[in-house]
Amino acid sequence: EIVLTQSPATLSLSPGERATLSCRASQSVSSYLAWYQQKPGQAPRLLIYDASNRATGIPARFSGSGSGTDFTLTISSLEPEDFAVYYCQQRSSWPYTFGQGTKLEIK
Amino acid sequence: EVQLLESGGGLVQPGGSLRLSCAASGFTFSSYAMSWVRQAPGKGLEWVSAISGSGASTYYAGSVKGRFTISRDNSKNTLYLQMSSLGAEDTAVYYCGKSSYGGNPSAIDYWGQGTLVTVSS
Repeated sequence: EIVLTQSPATLSLSPGERATLSCRASQSVSSYLAWYQQKPGQAPRLLIYDASNRATGIPARFSGSGSGTDFTLTISSLEPEDFAVYYCQQRSSWPYTFGQGTKLEIK
Repeated sequence: EVQLLESGGGLVQPGGSLRLSCAASGFTFSSYAMSWVRQAPGKGLEWVSAISGSGASTYYAGSVKGRFTISRDNSKNTLYLQMSSLGAEDTAVYYCGKSSYGGNPSAIDYWGQGTLVTVSS
């Protein structure tokens, strides 16, 4: 099973700042990595698929990069609605797995 | 508009069984793989099971293999998850999700609202 490790566990930033979230895979997942955002009491929302493709309706301030084992989700300028938990997820091999999440909180 | 509506959750005793359903609308159901993802209270996400668009291929997490069965009825646009030998570790919100493209499992672009399964005596 491929283990995804996200860092940091918690990121404290202010609106307008740049956020950089990391996801590292225990073995190569090629570009088969997605990022999701989840707010309390809500279902996850797909942000990025296949490492760098924004999902439909996702603002341009969200971008993804990386391949192989190291991936990054960048939010260029934080809006108040961006404070949430973010998960990475791989579909390179079954069982598909999620990272443990990064909580992005308001500083 | 894509809609996914789960049902069938509730309180079940340890060792018991439950069947979840997910009614889909707004897209060509048979063209997309579907999945179940769960989230235990206060915890992260776990991909439980997936099924190809045709239903010919199924996938299970090790934690549920042999106890859970995923299926779909493309004539009814409905996804199912039959769960048996339930334990406390299966307590979670269960989400159904639609693959973003293709008949094989991929990233989930649409999610249901979730249904809570509580395993307790």
